[in-house]
Amino acid sequence: QPVLTQSSSASASLGSSVKLTCTLNSGHSGYIIAWHLQQPGKAPRYLMKVESSGTYNRGSGVPDRLSGSSSGADRYLTISNLQFEDEADYYCETWDSNTRVFGGGTKLTVL
Amino acid sequence: QVQLQESGPGLVKPSGTLSLTCAVSGGSISSTKWWSWVRQPPGKGLEWIGEMSRSGSTTYNLSLKNRVTISVDKSKNQFSLRLLSVTAADTAMYYCATSDGSCLDIWGQGTMVTVSS
Repeated sequence: QPVLTQSSSASASLGSSVKLTCTLNSGHSGYIIAWHLQQPGKAPRYLMKVESSGTYNRGSGVPDRLSGSSSGADRYLTISNLQFEDEADYYCETWDSNTRVFGGGTKLTVL
Repeated sequence: QVQLQESGPGLVKPSGTLSLTCAVSGGSISSTKWWSWVRQPPGKGLEWIGEMSRSGSTTYNLSLKNRVTISVDKSKNQFSLRLLSVTAADTAMYYCATSDGSCLDIWGQGTMVTVSS
């Protein structure tokens, strides 16, 4: 079954950019993934889907300073012009006919 | 825009049954393809519990498969979760979510369930 790996933490300065990574395990490198944001004390919120081609589709209301990309088994979420409100946990998700899995999440700190 | 709201007891006794409902508003429950449950133990990450499709098929996390049932009541525009024989390890925030056939794209606000005597 698919497995997603994320770094546990990341940090970047206010106004800068950060690139978060979600890595698919061997045999699943072609899978589409989704990114979700979870701000402290809140429910997760869907951000976008990222395909193996690098094509991404943002959800409704997601600002265009968030973008997606892909390279091999890696799927990325890039956040530009970081704001304090971006400080949150970011989870990637993937699925197939039998299961749905989440990565362990990356805690983003805005300095 | 479809919105989801979880409801149910916040406290369940060990060995008891956890029962939650997800009410769908702002649209028909049949407008989405998959109805899912996800949980998050305090301070930990997200764990998928299982889901039901619009056609009625279900898939469950293998680690919970023998204890979990997801059902739908289209007449009430809601779907439900039952988890049997709960222990302290089942203490978590429980979220309902829906999918357009791929990823989860709408989430409820979540409801905290504590397993304790």
